[in-house]
Amino acid sequence: EVQLVQSGAEVKKPGESLKISCKGSGYSFSSYWIAWVRQMPGKGLEWMGIIYPGDSDTRYSPSFQGQVTISADKSIRTAYLQWNSLKASDSAIYYCARPHIVAVTAIDYFDLWGRGTPVTVSS
Amino acid sequence: QSALTQPRSVSGSPGQSVTISCTGTSSDVGGYSYVSWYQHHPGKAPKVMIYDVSKRPSGVPERFSGSKSGNTASLTISGLQAEDEADYYCCSYAGSYTGVVFGGGTKLSVL
Repeated sequence: EVQLVQSGAEVKKPGESLKISCKGSGYSFSSYWIAWVRQMPGKGLEWMGIIYPGDSDTRYSPSFQGQVTISADKSIRTAYLQWNSLKASDSAIYYCARPHIVAVTAIDYFDLWGRGTPVTVSS
Repeated sequence: QSALTQPRSVSGSPGQSVTISCTGTSSDVGGYSYVSWYQHHPGKAPKVMIYDVSKRPSGVPERFSGSKSGNTASLTISGLQAEDEADYYCCSYAGSYTGVVFGGGTKLSVL
């Protein structure tokens, strides 16, 4: 089955680090980009960035550049989203998704999504 | 505040039609044909219902249709069914610097 399986819910304190994961199965993981999308409580979706597991080429949304790190390990078919120092405002559900890319770098749509990883940051 | 503007909620009775609007700018919705719509039942993975403004992926019922006029895209669901009750998000490509932008989501209630 073609799917993206995300890691489980996390509860962290401000200042702590965190790395959440997204494992692809049922398709050639190295050959498709993976995106991360944030949904803050009661809010809409926000695109954070994308990575190409084949060569780790990474692009960030201007809003998230420098705030998070996106990485991937193609040998275990897994992409990651990482924070060095969490803030309360990082509390959200984080989705990974597979974007359909056209014209070299344009994101057309997302054809596969994970179920999301809830992250709660609270003292 | 989301980049694309959607109504917070819409509702309809079974069998009726509803339309959800998604308003952006000439830098996103109005500038590209890469507009997509997603159905999201909380706790589940979002599902693409429309891409490239009006194309339906395999398996999506013909009841779902999309269109665009200027800076506003629309999703129309005809013959409403109970299982259509969900949150719907629009999305548009917005150029190589911005990437993609989403709407704030619309909660569809089937009364």
